[in-house]
Amino acid sequence: QVQLVQSGAEVKKSGASVKVSCKASGYTFTGYYVHWVRQAPGQGLEWMGRINPSSGDTNYAQKFQDRVTLTRDTSISTAYMELSSLKSDDTAIYYCARRIHLRGDVWFDPWGQGTLVTVSS
Amino acid sequence: SSELTQDPAVSVALGQTVRITCQGDSLRSYYASWYQQKPGQAPVVVIYGKNNRPSGIPDRFSGSSSGNTASLTITGAQAEDEADYFCNSRDSSGNSYVFGTGTKVTVL
Repeated sequence: QVQLVQSGAEVKKSGASVKVSCKASGYTFTGYYVHWVRQAPGQGLEWMGRINPSSGDTNYAQKFQDRVTLTRDTSISTAYMELSSLKSDDTAIYYCARRIHLRGDVWFDPWGQGTLVTVSS
Repeated sequence: SSELTQDPAVSVALGQTVRITCQGDSLRSYYASWYQQKPGQAPVVVIYGKNNRPSGIPDRFSGSSSGNTASLTITGAQAEDEADYFCNSRDSSGNSYVFGTGTKVTVL
């Protein structure tokens, strides 16, 4: 079955960086964009950016432009999200999601299980 | 504007109908997709495009759109429909995506 499996929870100090992985299975990894979304505790969903696994082309939300880097390793069907200069308000669950684009319609399915990143001072 | 606005919370009696709305300028150009999120779980898509349900999503979920407003309707709400619901669309530039502020649905 199609699934995205993310790496485990992380605890980081303010100013550090974190790198979260998202391993795809059950489909052709290079055939679908991978998006990253975060959710702070008790808050809504926030789109961070996306990567085209085939070309490596990326697009980032303006808010994260200077701090986030999305990469991929096609040999192991894995996408990565690295966030630098962490602050306490970066504490959140980070999700990856496969984007489906069909006949002009776009949606995210499936989502990874989420990775909790906790930033402490 | 790149914002999608939803009512924070709505309640519905068991078996009744509830409509959740999502407003934003980008919805004049793009359809919304809708996600259900239960506590401690990742979001799951329930509606995409004009009014399409992925396999496994009950037909009590439906979508519609008019002008700058997208709507998700649950007809005959069940206890298991109690969750947070988020809309999503491209932003007005078409280059980025934006999520709605989210609506908490309580089934009474």
